[in-house]
Amino acid sequence: SQQGEEDPQALSIQEGENATMNCSYKTSINNLQWYRQNSGRGLVHLILIRSNEREKHSGRLRVTLDTSKKSSSLLITASRAADTASYFCATGNYGGSQGNLIFGKGTKLSVKP
Amino acid sequence: DSGVTQTPKHLITATGQRVTLRCSPRSGDLSVYWYQQSLDQGLQFLIQYYNGEERAKGNILERFSAQQFPDLHSELNLSSLELGDSALYFCASSVGYGDMNTEAFFGQGTRLTVV
Repeated sequence: SQQGEEDPQALSIQEGENATMNCSYKTSINNLQWYRQNSGRGLVHLILIRSNEREKHSGRLRVTLDTSKKSSSLLITASRAADTASYFCATGNYGGSQGNLIFGKGTKLSVKP
Repeated sequence: DSGVTQTPKHLITATGQRVTLRCSPRSGDLSVYWYQQSLDQGLQFLIQYYNGEERAKGNILERFSAQQFPDLHSELNLSSLELGDSALYFCASSVGYGDMNTEAFFGQGTRLTVV
């Protein structure tokens, strides 16, 4: 079963705009990771935020984590056409019976030039 | 390039057959994970090994098995293949297991088509 659920399922924006994707999860976690996947290709690791962190930045990416609400958001600022991809959150929950990195179904981002 | 190598990249086989997918983790990584990605199921966790031992099991069918060898590469064996097994199979690796800093890096995947 899925742990994370991304929202929205699909997002279409113009180049230069900001894109925000949300992820909700169900159980306690050790960390939460965001990945990007271009169509049919491998997953690229974007950022990891630990359960004791609230916000993290990497270049044009900003991730927040609210463990009380069991939710995270990924903000991509000043989006580019090259950001077009699917974005997944994955929760790290070590010791769980379902394994320790569980993915949501992803948000498909389309950035129009 | 993530440093995780998967072979083959593409595989076409008939129903009822058996195939082996291979994964070489990043240098220094002890954990290997296998995932299946199909259109209707998303990314499903199959199994994880750490330093040769099975550590976690997900939605892996009994027809599927895996192992991690002493040199840390891993193989995923899929047998009695069905049409529904057609999917992208990903391997990922990470340095550790069970800590807050474990980033997992993915290979490019093996696209399996069962005809």
